[in-house]
Amino acid sequence: AQSVTQPDIHITVSEGASLELRCNYSYGATPYLFWYVQSPGQGLQLLLKYFSGDTLVQGIKGFEAEFKRSQSSFNLRKPSVHWSDAAEYFCAVRGGSNYKLTFGKGTLLTVNP
Amino acid sequence: DAGVIQSPRHEVTEMGQEVTLRCKPISGHNSLFWYRQTMMRGLELLIYFNNNVPIDDSGMPEDRFSAKMPNASFSTLKIQPSEPRDSAVYFCASSLTSGGSETQYFGPGTRLLVL
Repeated sequence: AQSVTQPDIHITVSEGASLELRCNYSYGATPYLFWYVQSPGQGLQLLLKYFSGDTLVQGIKGFEAEFKRSQSSFNLRKPSVHWSDAAEYFCAVRGGSNYKLTFGKGTLLTVNP
Repeated sequence: DAGVIQSPRHEVTEMGQEVTLRCKPISGHNSLFWYRQTMMRGLELLIYFNNNVPIDDSGMPEDRFSAKMPNASFSTLKIQPSEPRDSAVYFCASSLTSGGSETQYFGPGTRLLVL
């Protein structure tokens, strides 16, 4: 069975600081990995995805994520956080031939001015 | 380019009433998903349709929940009778099946409160 763990429930950073959100997955074969962001009262917006190839993936809004098979991780990073990045971030995993998308519990990001 | 459209955005109802949530997927997408989001359980897949046919409804909580997809551009999720524990945000998502590389795109959600 596939699963996702986001170890950090809540993270607070200062505006302009760097950010790394952790994601660990469990899946027996090559996973398809996603990061979504949810602003308050909004739906989930896709930030980036990894299917194959280059393990460093670039997404929207200046985010990137790195797939590390040896660590079963897909951490999300941003070099300089903006106040508008305050939101909840969800990591998700799916198998290649499997439609089922399994989400982590999410990490709530607070940005201090 | 319109994304996934859901209606209503907010619904407040009383216990025992019927609730119908609606979803219009992205044009051309052939897969549709209904999710429920709660604080306790996070995001859960309720049901998955492919080419308008329900493929997996194992996540539907109980018989009070039903979902239909009469055509490629419309789906409903119905709760009858509703209960307070059904209060949650319900998301619809759609994707285009493409040999494994499909990505799910989510609607804005319907916030349901059952009193």
